[in-house]
Amino acid sequence: QKEVEQNSGPLSVPEGAIASLNCTYSDRGSQSFFWYRQYSGKSPELIMFIYSNGDKEDGRFTAQLNKASQYVSLLIRDSQPSDSATYLCAVNGDNYGQNFVFGPGTRLSVLP
Amino acid sequence: DAGVTQSPTHLIKTRGQQVTLRCSPISGHKSVSWYQQVLGQGPQFIFQYYEKEERGRGNFPDRFSARQFPNYSSELNVNALLLGDSALYLCASSLTDSNSPLHFGNGTRLTVT
Repeated sequence: QKEVEQNSGPLSVPEGAIASLNCTYSDRGSQSFFWYRQYSGKSPELIMFIYSNGDKEDGRFTAQLNKASQYVSLLIRDSQPSDSATYLCAVNGDNYGQNFVFGPGTRLSVLP
Repeated sequence: DAGVTQSPTHLIKTRGQQVTLRCSPISGHKSVSWYQQVLGQGPQFIFQYYEKEERGRGNFPDRFSARQFPNYSSELNVNALLLGDSALYLCASSLTDSNSPLHFGNGTRLTVT
């Protein structure tokens, strides 16, 4: 059974701080890793994806992947109140098709 | 370019009824996947279709079925609705059949009473 775990939160950070969201996964065969943002009542929106070990930066967002530890994280720099949402970690792998396994999500609250 | 479009937005059905949800992928995307999201949980995989063929099926009962049309649009059908089928149903399209990002539509909120 492939599993993806996230701390459900809520994670509260002050405006302008760095928010750190973490995710662990059980299947060592996983090849691709995705972060989605979901506002309440809305559908998930792709933020970033990462395939290789290390860091990948896109604007205020940095995804970090450590396959040996089966760990992926998302850093949000200069957090804004508009970043307040649930962040979903999703994992996929070769031969899985598009059967993404999602974590339960971490609720982030950025306080003005 | 238009994103993934789903219809209807909301739906209320009673137990035992049948429902059909529709999805049009992003232009150029040949893969369509369906996910169910229950409140407070992450989306769960139901089906994937690529080039009109079923490429994957999640752990859902046979009451759930889907198909993909020649224009790559897709339908999800659920028969004999149960209260537990109440959820947000998400359609996602992607460029390839594996390991490429999913792009979600706005979803269909199904309520079964």
